[in-house]
Amino acid sequence: AQSVTQLDSQVPVFEEAPVELRCNYSSSVSVYLFWYVQYPNQGLQLLLKYLSGSTLVKGINGFEAEFNKSQTSFHLRKPSVHISDTAEYFCAVSDSGNQFYFGTGTSLTVIP
Amino acid sequence: EAQVTQNPRYLITVTGKKLTVTCSQNMNHEYMSWYRQDPGLGLRQIYYSMNVEVTDKGDVPEGYKVSRKEKRNFPLILESPSPNQTSLYFCASQRTGGSYEQYFGPGTRLTVT
Repeated sequence: AQSVTQLDSQVPVFEEAPVELRCNYSSSVSVYLFWYVQYPNQGLQLLLKYLSGSTLVKGINGFEAEFNKSQTSFHLRKPSVHISDTAEYFCAVSDSGNQFYFGTGTSLTVIP
Repeated sequence: EAQVTQNPRYLITVTGKKLTVTCSQNMNHEYMSWYRQDPGLGLRQIYYSMNVEVTDKGDVPEGYKVSRKEKRNFPLILESPSPNQTSLYFCASQRTGGSYEQYFGPGTRLTVT
Protein backbone atom coordinates (compact mmCIF):
# COMPACT_ATOMS: atom_id res chain seq x y z
CA ALA A 1 0.00 0.00 0.00
CA GLN A 2 1.05 3.53 -0.68
CA SER A 3 1.28 6.29 1.88
CA VAL A 4 1.19 10.03 1.37
CA THR A 5 2.73 12.59 3.69
CA GLN A 6 1.69 16.19 3.81
CA LEU A 7 4.01 17.60 6.42
CA ASP A 8 2.31 20.97 6.79
CA SER A 9 -1.13 20.72 8.32
CA GLN A 10 -1.66 24.49 8.24
CA VAL A 11 -0.08 27.11 6.01
CA PRO A 12 -0.89 30.79 6.51
CA VAL A 13 0.26 33.12 3.75
CA PHE A 14 -0.36 36.74 2.89
CA GLU A 15 -2.38 37.64 -0.16
CA GLU A 16 -0.30 37.93 -3.36
CA ALA A 17 2.60 36.03 -1.77
CA PRO A 18 3.83 32.72 -3.25
CA VAL A 19 3.00 29.42 -1.61
CA GLU A 20 4.28 25.86 -1.73
CA LEU A 21 2.39 22.92 -0.25
CA ARG A 22 4.54 19.86 0.20
CA CYS A 23 3.65 16.27 -0.61
CA ASN A 24 5.78 13.14 -0.40
CA TYR A 25 4.70 9.59 -1.20
CA SER A 26 6.14 6.27 -0.20
CA SER A 27 6.80 4.24 -3.31
CA SER A 28 9.22 4.75 -6.14
CA VAL A 29 7.31 2.55 -8.59
CA SER A 30 5.24 4.18 -11.28
CA VAL A 31 2.47 6.21 -9.73
CA TYR A 32 -0.22 8.64 -10.66
CA LEU A 33 -0.26 11.80 -8.56
CA PHE A 34 -3.03 14.27 -7.85
CA TRP A 35 -3.83 17.43 -5.97
CA TYR A 36 -7.41 18.09 -4.94
CA VAL A 37 -8.93 21.18 -3.31
CA GLN A 38 -11.81 21.18 -0.86
CA TYR A 39 -13.66 24.41 -0.16
CA PRO A 40 -15.69 24.63 3.08
CA ASN A 41 -18.69 22.31 3.13
CA GLN A 42 -18.04 20.99 -0.35
CA GLY A 43 -16.68 17.89 -2.00
CA LEU A 44 -13.21 17.66 -3.51
CA GLN A 45 -12.30 19.11 -6.88
CA LEU A 46 -9.30 18.11 -8.97
CA LEU A 47 -6.63 20.83 -9.25
CA LEU A 48 -4.10 18.93 -11.35
CA LYS A 49 -2.67 15.49 -12.00
CA TYR A 50 0.52 13.82 -13.13
CA LEU A 51 0.14 10.62 -15.13
CA SER A 52 3.29 10.63 -17.27
CA GLY A 53 5.43 12.90 -19.41
CA SER A 54 6.52 16.37 -18.36
CA THR A 55 7.32 16.57 -14.68
CA LEU A 56 5.87 20.08 -14.40
CA VAL A 57 2.11 20.02 -14.56
CA LYS A 58 -0.20 22.99 -14.63
CA GLY A 59 -3.68 22.98 -13.21
CA ILE A 60 -6.64 25.21 -12.63
CA ASN A 61 -6.61 28.53 -10.79
CA GLY A 62 -2.93 29.17 -11.52
CA PHE A 63 -1.58 26.21 -9.55
CA GLU A 64 1.27 24.00 -10.73
CA ALA A 65 3.13 21.02 -9.33
CA GLU A 66 6.43 19.33 -10.02
CA PHE A 67 6.92 15.57 -9.95
CA ASN A 68 10.31 14.58 -8.56
CA LYS A 69 10.82 10.83 -8.83
CA SER A 70 14.13 10.67 -6.97
CA GLN A 71 12.70 12.52 -4.00
CA THR A 72 9.25 10.92 -4.33
CA SER A 73 7.68 14.35 -4.06
CA PHE A 74 4.89 16.26 -5.77
CA HIS A 75 4.85 19.75 -4.31
CA LEU A 76 2.11 22.21 -5.23
CA ARG A 77 2.96 25.84 -5.94
CA LYS A 78 1.27 29.09 -6.80
CA PRO A 79 3.24 32.29 -7.45
CA SER A 80 0.61 34.66 -6.06
CA VAL A 81 -2.30 33.57 -3.89
CA HIS A 82 -5.73 35.14 -3.55
CA ILE A 83 -8.22 35.17 -0.72
CA SER A 84 -10.33 32.73 -2.72
CA ASP A 85 -7.53 30.13 -2.49
CA THR A 86 -8.30 29.62 1.20
CA ALA A 87 -9.23 25.93 1.36
CA GLU A 88 -8.04 22.45 2.30
CA TYR A 89 -5.64 20.83 -0.16
CA PHE A 90 -5.14 17.10 -0.48
CA CYS A 91 -2.39 15.23 -2.24
CA ALA A 92 -3.27 11.75 -3.53
CA VAL A 93 -1.43 8.86 -5.17
CA SER A 94 -2.45 5.73 -7.02
CA ASP A 95 -0.34 3.04 -8.63
CA SER A 96 -3.25 1.29 -10.34
CA GLY A 97 -5.87 3.92 -11.01
CA ASN A 98 -8.22 1.87 -8.83
CA GLN A 99 -7.05 2.38 -5.26
CA PHE A 100 -6.27 5.90 -4.16
CA TYR A 101 -4.36 7.06 -1.10
CA PHE A 102 -4.81 10.55 0.22
CA GLY A 103 -2.66 12.64 2.53
CA THR A 104 -3.99 14.20 5.70
CA GLY A 105 -4.49 17.56 4.04
CA THR A 106 -3.04 21.07 4.28
CA SER A 107 -5.23 23.93 5.34
CA LEU A 108 -4.20 27.02 3.38
CA THR A 109 -5.29 30.33 4.86
CA VAL A 110 -4.71 33.46 2.81
CA ILE A 111 -4.40 36.56 4.98
CA PRO A 112 -5.54 39.90 3.53
CA GLU B 1 -25.51 19.23 -15.07
CA ALA B 2 -22.90 16.52 -14.52
CA GLN B 3 -22.89 15.60 -10.87
CA VAL B 4 -22.60 13.06 -8.11
CA THR B 5 -25.43 13.19 -5.59
CA GLN B 6 -25.55 11.72 -2.10
CA ASN B 7 -28.46 11.24 0.26
CA PRO B 8 -28.93 12.04 3.01
CA ARG B 9 -26.53 14.93 3.51
CA TYR B 10 -26.79 14.71 7.28
CA LEU B 11 -27.74 11.71 9.40
CA ILE B 12 -27.81 11.10 13.14
CA THR B 13 -28.50 7.53 14.19
CA VAL B 14 -27.99 5.14 17.07
CA THR B 15 -25.61 2.23 17.45
CA GLY B 16 -26.77 -0.89 15.67
CA LYS B 17 -29.50 0.61 13.51
CA LYS B 18 -28.89 -0.34 9.89
CA LEU B 19 -28.58 2.52 7.45
CA THR B 20 -27.90 3.14 3.77
CA VAL B 21 -26.30 6.17 2.19
CA THR B 22 -27.15 6.47 -1.47
CA CYS B 23 -24.85 7.70 -4.22
CA SER B 24 -25.83 8.38 -7.81
CA GLN B 25 -23.95 9.80 -10.79
CA ASN B 26 -25.29 10.98 -14.14
CA MET B 27 -22.02 10.88 -16.12
CA ASN B 28 -22.16 7.23 -17.18
CA HIS B 29 -18.94 6.57 -15.29
CA GLU B 30 -17.86 2.96 -14.86
CA TYR B 31 -15.83 3.53 -11.67
CA MET B 32 -17.30 4.59 -8.34
CA SER B 33 -15.82 4.77 -4.87
CA TRP B 34 -16.59 5.59 -1.24
CA TYR B 35 -14.30 7.48 1.15
CA ARG B 36 -14.48 8.61 4.72
CA GLN B 37 -12.85 11.82 5.90
CA ASP B 38 -11.72 12.20 9.49
CA PRO B 39 -9.75 15.04 11.10
CA GLY B 40 -6.03 14.35 11.01
CA LEU B 41 -6.50 11.26 8.85
CA GLY B 42 -7.49 12.76 5.52
CA LEU B 43 -9.59 10.67 3.15
CA ARG B 44 -9.47 6.90 3.31
CA GLN B 45 -10.96 4.67 0.68
CA ILE B 46 -13.64 2.24 1.89
CA TYR B 47 -14.73 0.38 -1.26
CA TYR B 48 -14.55 0.92 -4.98
CA SER B 49 -16.29 -0.54 -8.00
CA MET B 50 -14.84 -0.85 -11.48
CA ASN B 51 -18.21 -1.62 -13.03
CA VAL B 52 -21.61 -3.20 -12.39
CA GLU B 53 -21.36 -6.23 -10.09
CA VAL B 54 -17.61 -5.63 -9.53
CA THR B 55 -16.57 -4.30 -6.13
CA ASP B 56 -13.28 -4.33 -4.23
CA LYS B 57 -12.10 -3.39 -0.76
CA GLY B 58 -10.22 -0.19 -0.18
CA ASP B 59 -8.14 0.64 2.84
CA VAL B 60 -10.85 0.62 5.52
CA PRO B 61 -13.71 -1.73 4.49
CA GLU B 62 -14.54 -3.19 7.93
CA GLY B 63 -18.09 -2.50 9.01
CA TYR B 64 -19.28 -1.45 5.55
CA LYS B 65 -20.99 -3.13 2.62
CA VAL B 66 -21.59 -1.93 -0.91
CA SER B 67 -23.44 -3.12 -3.96
CA ARG B 68 -23.36 -2.11 -7.61
CA LYS B 69 -26.45 -3.38 -9.37
CA GLU B 70 -26.77 -0.41 -11.72
CA LYS B 71 -24.07 1.68 -13.32
CA ARG B 72 -25.31 4.98 -11.88
CA ASN B 73 -25.83 3.90 -8.25
CA PHE B 74 -23.39 2.78 -5.57
CA PRO B 75 -25.02 2.66 -2.11
CA LEU B 76 -23.00 2.37 1.09
CA ILE B 77 -24.55 0.14 3.75
CA LEU B 78 -23.76 0.11 7.45
CA GLU B 79 -25.45 -2.98 8.82
CA SER B 80 -24.66 -2.27 12.48
CA PRO B 81 -23.21 1.22 12.83
CA SER B 82 -20.91 2.01 15.72
CA PRO B 83 -19.70 5.35 17.09
CA ASN B 84 -16.30 4.92 15.42
CA GLN B 85 -18.09 5.18 12.08
CA THR B 86 -19.05 8.76 12.84
CA SER B 87 -17.44 10.58 9.94
CA LEU B 88 -17.88 12.59 6.76
CA TYR B 89 -18.47 10.28 3.80
CA PHE B 90 -17.81 11.06 0.16
CA CYS B 91 -18.83 9.20 -2.94
CA ALA B 92 -16.84 9.68 -6.14
CA SER B 93 -17.04 8.55 -9.73
CA GLN B 94 -14.51 8.35 -12.51
CA ARG B 95 -14.50 7.47 -16.18
CA THR B 96 -12.24 4.52 -16.95
CA GLY B 97 -9.80 4.78 -19.84
CA GLY B 98 -6.88 6.64 -18.33
CA SER B 99 -8.22 9.96 -17.07
CA TYR B 100 -8.20 9.02 -13.35
CA GLU B 101 -10.04 12.23 -12.48
CA GLN B 102 -12.54 11.61 -9.72
CA TYR B 103 -15.72 13.64 -9.35
CA PHE B 104 -16.86 13.91 -5.75
CA GLY B 105 -20.28 14.23 -4.24
CA PRO B 106 -21.08 16.89 -1.63
CA GLY B 107 -20.60 14.55 1.32
CA THR B 108 -22.76 12.92 3.99
CA ARG B 109 -22.09 13.76 7.61
CA LEU B 110 -22.95 10.74 9.74
CA THR B 111 -23.14 10.75 13.53
CA VAL B 112 -23.61 7.48 15.39
CA THR B 113 -24.50 7.81 19.06
